[in-house]
Amino acid sequence: AQKVTQAQTEISVVEKEDVTLDCVYETRDTTYYLFWYKQPPSGELVFLIRRNSFDEQNEISGRYSWNFQKSTSSFNFTITASQVVDSAVYFCALIAGGTSYGKLTFGQGTILTVHP
Amino acid sequence: DAGVIQSPRHEVTEMGQEVTLRCKPISGHDYLFWYRQTMMRGLELLIYFNNNVPIDDSGMPEDRFSAKMPNASFSTLKIQPSEPRDSAVYFCASIAGQGVSFDTEAFFGQGTRLTVV
Repeated sequence: AQKVTQAQTEISVVEKEDVTLDCVYETRDTTYYLFWYKQPPSGELVFLIRRNSFDEQNEISGRYSWNFQKSTSSFNFTITASQVVDSAVYFCALIAGGTSYGKLTFGQGTILTVHP
Repeated sequence: DAGVIQSPRHEVTEMGQEVTLRCKPISGHDYLFWYRQTMMRGLELLIYFNNNVPIDDSGMPEDRFSAKMPNASFSTLKIQPSEPRDSAVYFCASIAGQGVSFDTEAFFGQGTRLTVV
């Protein structure tokens, strides 16, 4: 069985601060896929990034960056110079190899509030 | 493309009534998923279809829940009879079939917020 833990239930920061959202996963499979989704106040889930277990390269996309470390089973997400528009619920999710396309196991989510 | 379209966006119903949630996946996507989001359990997969065929319904909580996909562009999730504990946000998601791999992202609709009173 697989599991995703997002220990931070809520984070509150002031605009322009950097913030890191933690994600720890558990799976017995050696092949797996990790995702981050954003849920803005409007409610839909928006895909942000994917990583497979064979690719430990960190990634940067504008103000967003992701740190994938297999040694600690973590896939953390950092927002640099946060903005009010970053306020949302962020979900980390996992698909273990051998399950199915799109069969995501989600963490509980982290509510991020960025204050002006 | 308009994305995954769900209707209604909000539904309030009385306990015991039948509720039908609707989903139109992205054209050309042949995997369709129904997820439920609650405070207690977070986001959990209820059922998914491939080429209109239900593949895994192990997440469907009870026999009161049923889902159908009569064609590639339409799916329903029905709850009969509804109960207050069914109150949640129900999401539909779809994935492109051609060239799909395990890291293919799912596209989600805006969800239907169901309240059973």
